[in-house]
Amino acid sequence: AQSVTQLDSQVPVFEEAPVELRCNYSSSVSVYLFWYVQYPNQGLQLLLKYLSGSTLVESINGFEAEFNKSQTSFHLRKPSVHISDTAEYFCAVRSFTGGGNKLTFGTGTQLKVEL
Amino acid sequence: SAVISQKPSRDICQRGTSLTIQCQVDSQVTMMFWYRQQPGQSLTLIATANQGSEATYESGFVIDKFPISRPNLTFSTLTVSNMSPEDSSIYLCSVEVGGMDYEQYFGPGTRLTVT
Repeated sequence: AQSVTQLDSQVPVFEEAPVELRCNYSSSVSVYLFWYVQYPNQGLQLLLKYLSGSTLVESINGFEAEFNKSQTSFHLRKPSVHISDTAEYFCAVRSFTGGGNKLTFGTGTQLKVEL
Repeated sequence: SAVISQKPSRDICQRGTSLTIQCQVDSQVTMMFWYRQQPGQSLTLIATANQGSEATYESGFVIDKFPISRPNLTFSTLTVSNMSPEDSSIYLCSVEVGGMDYEQYFGPGTRLTVT
């Protein structure tokens, strides 16, 4: 079975500071990895994904995540956050086992950007 | 991509009643998913609904409690039956867009409160 662990439930940070949201997964087979963002009172939006190839993936709004197979991690980073980045961030994993193509989500990290 | 709408956006229901949630997609999709997001928790997959076949339920969810219909490639409904306060949650519809990107898009959710 696959699982996702987001180590931090809340991350407060000042505007323009860097941030890292941690995500670790467990799976016995190859995985695809995703970060979703949920802004207040909105649905989930895909932020970025790793399927194959370069282990560093980027989003259009400055976030990046690096797939580290040896550490089974997919941490999300941004060098300088903005107040508008305040949201809940979910890490998700999909592995192709006998269970099919199910997405498993972590418990989420609430990023709160303060002035 | 896919644009997903859900009805109702929120509802307050009495214990013992049932609520049917509708999910409409702006394009034809094969795979649709229903998730539950309980307060302060992550998303939990309830079932996968493919057009033309019975829905596949995850462990802990049964058809009698959460009957699902999938009459065509753009529409699905989830019914929450014989509700109790423990069913208070956000219910999300999701679709997988074809190709090798394995992206799932989510609707805005239905916020259900059971009193």
